[in-house]
Amino acid sequence: EVQLVESGGGLVKPGGSLRLSCAASGFTFSSYSMNWVRQAPGKGLEWVSSISSSSSYIYYADSVKGRFTISRDNAKNSLYLQMNSLRAEDTAVYYCARDEEMATKPLTVDYWGQGTLVTVSS
Amino acid sequence: SYVLTQPPSVSVAPGKTARITCGGNNIGSKSVHWYQQKPGQAPVLVIYYDSDRPSGIPERFSGSNSGNTATLTISRVEAGDEADYYCQVWDSSSDQGVFGTGTKVTVL
Repeated sequence: EVQLVESGGGLVKPGGSLRLSCAASGFTFSSYSMNWVRQAPGKGLEWVSSISSSSSYIYYADSVKGRFTISRDNAKNSLYLQMNSLRAEDTAVYYCARDEEMATKPLTVDYWGQGTLVTVSS
Repeated sequence: SYVLTQPPSVSVAPGKTARITCGGNNIGSKSVHWYQQKPGQAPVLVIYYDSDRPSGIPERFSGSNSGNTATLTISRVEAGDEADYYCQVWDSSSDQGVFGTGTKVTVL
């Protein structure tokens, strides 16, 4: 069974940093591209970042470029999101999401984690 | 940046057909994916590559995409279909992922 479990969320002050993790199991993690997608309270879905299976291709939303860094450790079956210079508008549930195996473009998500809440507030 | 526009809400009686549109400039040239999200839950993929259904998704869910509009159709609507639905594409010109604004489906 595919499982994606996010961790690392919490309360942080504006300008602070946080590192999210996503532990993957039930599939060959190193064969799949992965994504982070967020959802502000009561709002819609927003793509944050994508990374290919071997980390050769990395993409960021304009809203986080230069502040967030996506990475992965295939030996540990883990996906990460380092978030720096956090702003109030980064407050959201952050989902780890797997691309389907034969995806021809990034963000063709077939499995989602349950999300971790990040709150940016003083 | 590329924009996907959906109606904020669609209401439908049980057993009837719900159609949710997703408008975008020449969206017919892109692959569209649709996600269902129920309150407090993670999204679920219901249609990918315009009209393909993942395993486990009922045949009542179908999709189409042409010109400037993609459409998710839910036939024989059930109470359990009540949820938010999002369309999504990858914009290759900017290398950005884009979600639609979301549509809340209410079953009367």
